[in-house]
Amino acid sequence: QKEVEQNSGPLSVPEGAIASLNCTYSDRVSQSFFWYRQYSGKSPELIMSIYSNGDKEDGRFTAQLNKASQYVSLLIRDSQPSDSATYLCAVNTGGFKTIFGAGTRLFVKA
Amino acid sequence: DTGVSQNPRHKITKRGQNVTFRCDPISEHNRLYWYRQTLGQGPEFLTYFQNEAQLEKSRLLSDRFSAERPKGSFSTLEIQRTEQGDSAMYLCASSPGTAPGANVLTFGAGSRLTVL
Repeated sequence: QKEVEQNSGPLSVPEGAIASLNCTYSDRVSQSFFWYRQYSGKSPELIMSIYSNGDKEDGRFTAQLNKASQYVSLLIRDSQPSDSATYLCAVNTGGFKTIFGAGTRLFVKA
Repeated sequence: DTGVSQNPRHKITKRGQNVTFRCDPISEHNRLYWYRQTLGQGPEFLTYFQNEAQLEKSRLLSDRFSAERPKGSFSTLEIQRTEQGDSAMYLCASSPGTAPGANVLTFGAGSRLTVL
């Protein structure tokens, strides 16, 4: 079992729709959770971090964490073509190592 | 602050040659990480420095790989006797090490290695 699992996609949504990206993790002691966005040929950049159960909103982005289910999600409202990228879920168990999923490719159709 | 800087951006080498990559982290960050990323995969952890101390080295790193961070500033990643399987993007990242955002990674642009 991979430590951090994501559906590789591609996930295709029309412009203006809500994109929903999901991630599960295996280590129950995980404490910090992140979503990074990676455009083709570029390096990952942080979108959201979340540390406690519930929702965290930042602009069009909402991260959701359910530690009991070991599940993290990212919602992108009013999706734009510029949101087309690979979204990486990342998990830290409280030490220094952050483990990444393989990423979900998102395409937003204009 | 110019972010995390990596050099060279691209390196093409022949199998068996040695290569070295350099990373200059954000100056206020005391944690430095090396990751490797291949096409269609997420970044894979290679090694980590807290200041100048290398605290963990992934089992993905064979003895051909060595990393240093002298004086706790810039870091180098050397690959000896390169193999075609070493072809990848080598990403350097740094993080503050203290709250808030102790483990929030800021990545450099990466160094792409192609081994012929």
